[in-house]
Amino acid sequence: DVKVTQSSRYLVKRTGEKVFLECVQDMDHENMFWYRQDPGLGLRLIYFSYDVKMKEKGDIPEGYSVSREKKERFSLILESASTNQTSMYLCASSLHDTPSGANVLTFGAGSRLTVL
Amino acid sequence: AQSVTQLGSHVSVSEGALVLLRCNYSSSVPPYLFWYVQYPNQGLQLLLKYTTGATLVKGINGFEAEFKKSETSFHLTKPSAHMSDAAEYFCAVSDQNAGNNRKLIWGLGTSLAVNP
Repeated sequence: DVKVTQSSRYLVKRTGEKVFLECVQDMDHENMFWYRQDPGLGLRLIYFSYDVKMKEKGDIPEGYSVSREKKERFSLILESASTNQTSMYLCASSLHDTPSGANVLTFGAGSRLTVL
Repeated sequence: AQSVTQLGSHVSVSEGALVLLRCNYSSSVPPYLFWYVQYPNQGLQLLLKYTTGATLVKGINGFEAEFKKSETSFHLTKPSAHMSDAAEYFCAVSDQNAGNNRKLIWGLGTSLAVNP
């Protein structure tokens, strides 16, 4: 019954390393999202994509990039990880046929990244 | 700009007691409103949503919420708390008139503790 799969639940990386967070959904959803979740700050949108090879910046895109080469896969890339990117990263997907449907997000279980 | 305020970052109730989690929003246009729940070590899942029509909406696990336009509120309630309700709850809003809107505005979340 798994619908949104994030490849790594826990990662530990060193400052300056390149980090890839992978997300795959099996629901044929058009929209995909990357959020980061920090205590007291709620969910903040990093990037989203509404179609293959399309991407839009969210509220905090600095230090991140994304890739969507296939409909089911949305990757988040940290080109040079820094300690302030230590966080929980959540991937989500949704349909975009209706506005209300577009906001019914299915989330993955999250990837907790620690940057030393 | 839209915003969402969740009153109380931490709420504690006794098992069997009423659960009331508060959410107020600001929006210049009719909103869609959502509650999501995050159980420990999991991603978020949709609890319930208001789009149009009946202002009292029922969700999973016995939760319900009422849209009150005059108060710009969408408070979440459950008559009798269960230990399994301990989780983080997020209120979110989107813009009905934004066409194929893909972005939600999130509250900061309320952590619910249920005491035996």
